[in-house]
Amino acid sequence: EDQVTQSPEALRLQEGESSSLNCSYTVSGLRGLFWYRQDPGKGPEFLFTLYSAGEEKEKERLKATLTKKESFLHITAPKPEDSATYLCAVCFSGGYNKLIFGAGTRLAVHP
Amino acid sequence: SQTIHQWPATLVQPVGSPLSLECTVEGTSNPNLYWYRQAAGRGLQLLFYSVGIGQISSEVPQNLSASRPQDRQFILSSKKLLLSDSGFYLCAWSGRADNEQFFGPGTRLTVL
Repeated sequence: EDQVTQSPEALRLQEGESSSLNCSYTVSGLRGLFWYRQDPGKGPEFLFTLYSAGEEKEKERLKATLTKKESFLHITAPKPEDSATYLCAVCFSGGYNKLIFGAGTRLAVHP
Repeated sequence: SQTIHQWPATLVQPVGSPLSLECTVEGTSNPNLYWYRQAAGRGLQLLFYSVGIGQISSEVPQNLSASRPQDRQFILSSKKLLLSDSGFYLCAWSGRADNEQFFGPGTRLTVL
């Protein structure tokens, strides 16, 4: 069964304390892995797309990496404004443009 | 640039009442359109997607239906709401050849 699992469910960091979020997936024929940021009561905001193992993307304090089985979202020296839920999703062959989402990681960064 | 709108932003409806949520996209043509529902603490669940006017695919059997009367308009409906229909409904679009999906602001539906 195609599945996306994110860990941890929740993460509390002090401002400046770097960490990583994990997204593991089991799908046949990965066509793309996506990271989104979602603030409370709002729609998800697109962050990155990764297509193949070894690929990396960066945006400000965030860097996403991809292996054959998982992706990491590294947060370097986070600030309180990085607090949000981070969602991972995958698109797979035969799934048309369907995305399968993980349940997300709730990140809280405290000053 | 492309923008996506959803309305209403919040809705409180009694059980058994009808529902109509609307989504419109600006700044693009022939988008793929999607309806998702997000339950508290859970991932997004795809409900419907559409690749063109009048073309709707349903992912999950349920009390809801979708329609696409115009190229950039997507509507989610129900004839009789159930308590279990409560949730956060999100509309999204993608380009024809793209996998990235871009989401609207969402509608918070509470069925009492």
